[in-house]
Amino acid sequence: QVQLQESGPGLVKPSETLSLTCTVSGDPISSNSHYWGWIRQPPGRGLEWIASMYYSGSTYYSPSLKSRVTISGDKSKNQFFLTLNSVTAADRAVYYCVRIRSYVDVWGKGTTVTVSS
Amino acid sequence: DIHMTQSPSSLSASVGDRVTITCRASQDIINALAWYQQVPGKAPKLLVYAASNLQSGVPSRFSGSGSGTDFTLTISNLQPEDFATYYCQEYYSVPPSYIFGQGTKLDIK
Repeated sequence: QVQLQESGPGLVKPSETLSLTCTVSGDPISSNSHYWGWIRQPPGRGLEWIASMYYSGSTYYSPSLKSRVTISGDKSKNQFFLTLNSVTAADRAVYYCVRIRSYVDVWGKGTTVTVSS
Repeated sequence: DIHMTQSPSSLSASVGDRVTITCRASQDIINALAWYQQVPGKAPKLLVYAASNLQSGVPSRFSGSGSGTDFTLTISNLQPEDFATYYCQEYYSVPPSYIFGQGTKLDIK
C-alpha cells in the first residue's frame, strides 16, 4: 500500500523560505511510473496544484507560483521536496504531497503551514 | 488556460436521495476528468477518473459521466458518510495544470 507523509515546519516567517518533505513508502519515486507533486488548500478554499515531477527530470510548475517554487527528489531516501521562496500570508494553507497518474490517486494527509512573524 | 466550473456550489439533500453535480470545462478535455471527495479535515479522495471509471473501493452508488466539456457526478441513495465537498479536476492540459473546479459542498437537509 502506497503511503505519503508530509513533514516540515508548521510556521514560517514572511519573506522566508518554506521547505517541505514528502516521504513515500510502497512505491519508488524513481520508477517513473507516476508523477509526484504538491497541491495546497488555503483555509476554507479550494485545491490548487503547485508543482509535479518525474524523478527522471521533468518538472512542471503552476504559472502563478513558478518564479518561487522548486520541486526535487532524493531516490536514496524515497523522498521528494517542495521549496517555496518569499512566502506571504497568501501562502498559508494545508500542503498535500500526492502521487499523480494523470489524476491524483494517492494523497498524503497534509501538513498545515502558517505564515506569521 | 482551461477553466473548470462546478454547479451548484452547494446543495442540501437527505439520506437516500439521488444528487447530481455538474462540472463544465472551458474547452474540450475529451474524458480527462477526475472527481474527488473531501471530508472536512481530511485529504481528498479519488472517486472517478477518465470521467466515468470508478476508482477501486469506491461504492457503486457513485457514478460519473460526460465527455468533451460537460461532466456529471451522480450519487444515488445518499449515505451519511457522503456529505462532503466534491471537486472535479481536469488533466488534459499539456504541460499539465491540473485545474480544479471550485468545489460543491453537499450537506444534510
